Amino acid sequence: NAGVMQNPRHLVRRRGQEARLRCSPMKGHSHVYWYRQLPEEGLKFMVYLQKENIIDESGMPKERFSAEFPKEGPSILRIQQVVRGDSAAYFCASSAFSGSYEQYFGPGTRLTVT
Amino acid sequence: QQQVKQSPQSLIVQKGGIPIINCAYENTAFDYFPWYQQFPGKGPALLIAIRPDVSEKKEGRFTISFNKSAKQFSLHIMDSQPGDSATYFCAASKETSGSRLTFGEGTQLTVNP
Repeated sequence: NAGVMQNPRHLVRRRGQEARLRCSPMKGHSHVYWYRQLPEEGLKFMVYLQKENIIDESGMPKERFSAEFPKEGPSILRIQQVVRGDSAAYFCASSAFSGSYEQYFGPGTRLTVT
Repeated sequence: QQQVKQSPQSLIVQKGGIPIINCAYENTAFDYFPWYQQFPGKGPALLIAIRPDVSEKKEGRFTISFNKSAKQFSLHIMDSQPGDSATYFCAASKETSGSRLTFGEGTQLTVNP
């Protein structure tokens, strides 16, 4: 399977817990984007990363959210002390190189905060 | 200036009809306009995309029409099928922003048999 992989597909967390969402880009892709989709809404950009670098985090909430894309392993979006408003579908997309417009999305992680 | 407005919010057509979904943007720096198709519980799938140097692009039953002066673009689905029932999102990006996508609000399309 050469597509973008995300896990877990579904994640349930209680208020105050931490959520970790993982994304493995397509083979050969080194650029990762995270988007959030609230119920009945469109997708909103959160953060753009390359290996070991955060390029653009202008869409990330200032507190509780962080992202990384280490030299080895998947990209991780971390949400600390989750609140009910964090319940959403989180999608990861990857592209081949800087300036490559085509982004390919993973199946998403659906986070539910109880 | 970063917004992309999409309409209609929902659309119902009969099989064989030609649904048309419209989008308008504000930022003239946008230089790439893709359309994504999303089925329930799935991630968005890239359908077709256009650059502002052309006015129309066709891929199979899907056509994008682009009007640079009006800052509008639209998706036409020829000979629509029930399997086309999905949510469609337009988007826009510009290279200087790292190609991050700004999405429209989405159109829920239903094609009746």
